[in-house]
Amino acid sequence: ETGVTQTPRHLVMGMTNKKSLKCEQHLGHNAMYWYKQSAKKPLELMFVYNFKEQTENNSVPSRFSPECPNSSHLFLHLHTLQPEDSALYLCASSQEGGGGTGELFFGEGSRLTVL
Amino acid sequence: EDQVTQSPEALRLQEGESSSLNCSYTVSGLRGLFWYRQDPGKGPEFLFTLYSAGEEKEKERLKATLTKKESFLHITAPKPEDSATYLCAVQDSGGSYIPTFGRGTSLIVHP
Repeated sequence: ETGVTQTPRHLVMGMTNKKSLKCEQHLGHNAMYWYKQSAKKPLELMFVYNFKEQTENNSVPSRFSPECPNSSHLFLHLHTLQPEDSALYLCASSQEGGGGTGELFFGEGSRLTVL
Repeated sequence: EDQVTQSPEALRLQEGESSSLNCSYTVSGLRGLFWYRQDPGKGPEFLFTLYSAGEEKEKERLKATLTKKESFLHITAPKPEDSATYLCAVQDSGGSYIPTFGRGTSLIVHP
């Protein structure tokens, strides 16, 4: 399998549920990202991990909790979400440093609906 | 603070009607400018990277150009399958390696 894979593709959850989004990259990259995409808004950066270390937390509410166990896997744990958190959540990876050219490679996204 | 502005917000073309999308940016120094294509309900797909003013890159009916203040994505004789949202992003050489994205241009090409 190649590229960036996200699961699940669609998720519906109530405000009291706990769920997780999963991302896996097979590109040998060292940086992984979570973005939120809502209608009519630019991509919103949520978290960045570089070599498994979190380097960015863009003032994201604590109901979103990231986890990066290794350079190939990234999770977004969801708890007590609000309806306004409904959006497309995108995972991306890139190769930073050592000749990396900076472009991001995105997964297909996880469409989240919070009821 | 980096700023990336894309225009127009939406563009409707007839098949074969060439046009251009604009991405204007403000950075302390440009490390790279990126164009992506995004189909509905999917993640963005990388198209081009441009690094310096005067640089051009082509892929099928698309050509990206770069000046010191803006980039254009020229679409020559578009087809309905070119319909998508086109995103522009920039990396600031003086700051974080994380790119800043514009809001995108939604392109619809009618047969």
